[in-house]
Amino acid sequence: DAKTTQPNSMESNEEEPVHLPCNHSTISGTDYIHWYRQLPSQGPEYVIHGLTSNVNNRMASLAIAEDRKSSTLILHRATLRDAAVYYCILNAGGTSYGKLTFGQGTILTVHP
Amino acid sequence: SQTIHQWPATLVQPVGSPLSLECTVEGTSNPNLYWYRQAAGRGLQLLFYSVGIGQISSEVPQNLSASRPQDRQFILSSKKLLLSDSGFYLCAWSQNQGANGYTFGSGTRLTVV
Repeated sequence: DAKTTQPNSMESNEEEPVHLPCNHSTISGTDYIHWYRQLPSQGPEYVIHGLTSNVNNRMASLAIAEDRKSSTLILHRATLRDAAVYYCILNAGGTSYGKLTFGQGTILTVHP
Repeated sequence: SQTIHQWPATLVQPVGSPLSLECTVEGTSNPNLYWYRQAAGRGLQLLFYSVGIGQISSEVPQNLSASRPQDRQFILSSKKLLLSDSGFYLCAWSQNQGANGYTFGSGTRLTVV
């Protein structure tokens, strides 16, 4: 499985934008880029996913590099509720029955 | 809308006792189902996945087994628990091989004593 690399931790202030980076230099052409976040003692929550083009939804934006070897999750205005562990994951889709390989993720701390 | 139910939320079991964790999905049909374990608070490990009734694939050798007796029911079991089976167990489902994302259950915190 193609792997991803994320910083162990990041900090932000409330109401400021947050850019969470992810490197996936061995990504294949059919891999989707998924982002999930997990609060303590809860299951991961889907945030966003994309293939080639940048994506926006009500939670965040996903910026994908042109060569697809890196991506950035953007939280436009961080709130205290955004403090969580954020996982960047590659999903090979049909070739792997949709299995997800989780890394260690990035712990995001949001300061009031 | 689709929902996923997982129970119990917490469980304390003695070493050598059996285990049965249940996961059910509502509002969808023929989902792909998954069991993950989170042992150290970060990073989830895929244990089993199922693409249909009675079809189970194991990802890692272990003391656990899984079954899918109905389309939207996924069960994680053990005949004799080990201390190393302690952890946070999560059930998840997806459609279209996960192309539209995955939905996770709320998890079961298992402590083997």
